[in-house]
Amino acid sequence: GIQVEQSPPDLILQEGANSTLRCNFSDSVNNLQWFHQNPWGQLINLFYIPSGTKQNGRLSATTVATERYSLLYISSSQTTDSGVYFCAGASNFGNEKLTFGTGTRLTIIP
Amino acid sequence: DAGVTQSPTHLIKTRGQQVTLRCSPISGHKSVSWYQQVLGQGPQFIFQYYEKEERGRGNFPDRFSARQFPNYSSELNVNALLLGDSALYLCASSLATGTFTLYEQYFGPGTRLTVT
Repeated sequence: GIQVEQSPPDLILQEGANSTLRCNFSDSVNNLQWFHQNPWGQLINLFYIPSGTKQNGRLSATTVATERYSLLYISSSQTTDSGVYFCAGASNFGNEKLTFGTGTRLTIIP
Repeated sequence: DAGVTQSPTHLIKTRGQQVTLRCSPISGHKSVSWYQQVLGQGPQFIFQYYEKEERGRGNFPDRFSARQFPNYSSELNVNALLLGDSALYLCASSLATGTFTLYEQYFGPGTRLTVT
C-alpha cells in the first residue's frame, strides 16, 4: 500500500502568521483529503483534492499529482486553527481505504 | 442534514470482553468504512462495506468483524478485547456507487473505547 509522510510534525506559530503543511505520497493516489482533527477527535473535512488547487476562506490546498505531494496553506492563523491536520490518500479503486499520515500538530499562540 | 452518527460516545470494557460499536451513515450514502485511531497516530483502516458486502479489510486480526444492514447502518464487533484495542474508533461514509470512482469520505465523531 501507499505510504504517507507529513511535515512538519509540529508547528508553533503566533496568531496572524501563515503556514504551509506538506504531504508526500509514495505512489499515485486517486483520492486525497485534508482533515482537521479537533480536541474531541472529530475529523473535519477541509478539502477533497486529488489534483489541482482549491480555496476556502483562509485555507487553500494544492495537489501536484504527478509529483505525489499536496500542500495545505493556512493564512492569518487564528487560535481556533490549532489542532492536528491529517492528509489521507486512497489509490485502490476496489475499495475506499484511506491511508493517513501521522499528522501535523499546529499550535497557534495568541 | 445529519452527519455520520456513532454510538456509544464512550465505552469502558474489561480485557476478554466483547464490544459492539454502531454507525449510521449520512442519508443517501451506501458505503461505510471503519478506522481505528490510537493515541498519537493517524487513523488506520479496518473495514469497508458497500451494499452489505465487505469491500476491503485492513491488517487487523479476526477478532474484528463488521456488518452492514439493509438501511446501510453498520456495526463493528471486537471480541476478546486486549489492552491494545483501546482507541478512538471512527466510522466514515461516502457516496460510493460501486463503480470505479473514489468519493470524499465523511467521518463521525467516533467512539472512544477504553479496555482495562
